[in-house]
Amino acid sequence: GQQLNQSPQSMFIQEGEDVSMNCTSSSIFNTWLWYKQDPGEGPVLLIALYKAGELTSNGRLTAQFGITRKDSFLNISASIPSDVGIYFCAGHASGTYKYIFGTGTRLKVLA
Amino acid sequence: GAVVSQHPSRVICKSGTSVKIECRSLDFQATTMFWYRQFPKQSLMLMATSNEGSKATYEQGVEKDKFLINHASLTLSTLTVTSAHPEDSSFYICSATWNYEQYFGPGTRLTVT
Repeated sequence: GQQLNQSPQSMFIQEGEDVSMNCTSSSIFNTWLWYKQDPGEGPVLLIALYKAGELTSNGRLTAQFGITRKDSFLNISASIPSDVGIYFCAGHASGTYKYIFGTGTRLKVLA
Repeated sequence: GAVVSQHPSRVICKSGTSVKIECRSLDFQATTMFWYRQFPKQSLMLMATSNEGSKATYEQGVEKDKFLINHASLTLSTLTVTSAHPEDSSFYICSATWNYEQYFGPGTRLTVT
């Protein structure tokens, strides 16, 4: 099935550094969701975006709905070891019933 | 709010047997639930959309006779893997939509021996 492109695929960062990742689509979405998945668990919703240009924060996490409606960005500030995991984006288009998921960004934080 | 549970969290079964996985929305009603399969180090693969009171909608390539889905109430959907084989071993995750957002269960690790 269709998947969204996430970049980077994986990254190693030092504790305390900021992290940026993005998600791109060939089609327009009206909702973007960002999830974090820990090993052996289901994804947990981090941030939901509903409007082009919207910038929303959740603690150290900030996500933006791209103005073209074909991309979204997630930033993590001052990373800590528990930020380790896989981050997925998901987009929803008007008139459809399902979300399309990204390929995931695997984050590893070095203490 | 918006809590989704799954049961069991882990199951081991013998080849040829059937396994049922339950997905429940604990604090909201869900007319639509989704079933995903996830292979190691890969993204979520949508298997089917479960609709309360009607037949499930299966994604292309997913065998509906092998992966039986029943959505008998607004808070419960079940996935039955029939005649399981080792290649069906995987991590199965359900989700439900609430307020335009999708919430996931904790997943079920299925191992077929």
